Amino acid sequence: DVQMTQSPPFVSASVGDRVTITCRASQDVSTWVAWYQQMPGKAPKLLMFATSNLQTGVPSRFSGSGSGTEFTLTISGLQAEDFGTYYCQQGDSYPLTFGGGTKVDVK
Amino acid sequence: EVQLVESGGTLVQPGGSLRLSCGGSGFPFNTYWMNWVRQAPGKGLEWVANTVQDGSQKYYVDSVKGRFTISRDNAKNSVYLQMNSLRVEDTAVYYCARSQMTPYGMDVWGQGTTVIVSS
Repeated sequence: DVQMTQSPPFVSASVGDRVTITCRASQDVSTWVAWYQQMPGKAPKLLMFATSNLQTGVPSRFSGSGSGTEFTLTISGLQAEDFGTYYCQQGDSYPLTFGGGTKVDVK
Repeated sequence: EVQLVESGGTLVQPGGSLRLSCGGSGFPFNTYWMNWVRQAPGKGLEWVANTVQDGSQKYYVDSVKGRFTISRDNAKNSVYLQMNSLRVEDTAVYYCARSQMTPYGMDVWGQGTTVIVSS
């Protein structure tokens, strides 16, 4: 199974800050990584697919990069509504696997 | 409006069975892969199973193989998760989610249904 390791597990940042979340895959997953945001008590929301493709309706302050085993999600100019837990997920091979999550707190 | 709505979650005893349902609306259901993803209390997301558009291919995480079965009825725009031999560790919120293709992520999710396995 492909293990997805996210870091950091927790981020506290101010409005306007640049936030970067990293996801490492235990083996090459090409560019088949998606990113989700989950707010407390809610279903996850797809932000990014195939590493760097912004899902329709997602603000352009979100961006993704990487390939192989290293991937990043960047929020350029954190907004108050960006709080929540962010997860990466690989779609290269079964079983599909998620990272452990990064909780983002907006100061 | 594109929507997925799960149902069927409840309290069940260890060793028991349960069938979850997920109905889709507002989109061509038979053109999407359908997934089940779960989240144990206070934990992260775990993909459970998915099935191809016509139901001919099904994939599972190892921990549920032989116990859970995913199926779909495109005439009813529905996907199901039959859960047998339930364990305490199956306690979770179960979400259904659709994908255009497995590598592209899950772009629409239901609100979730809660399964509690306890004596």
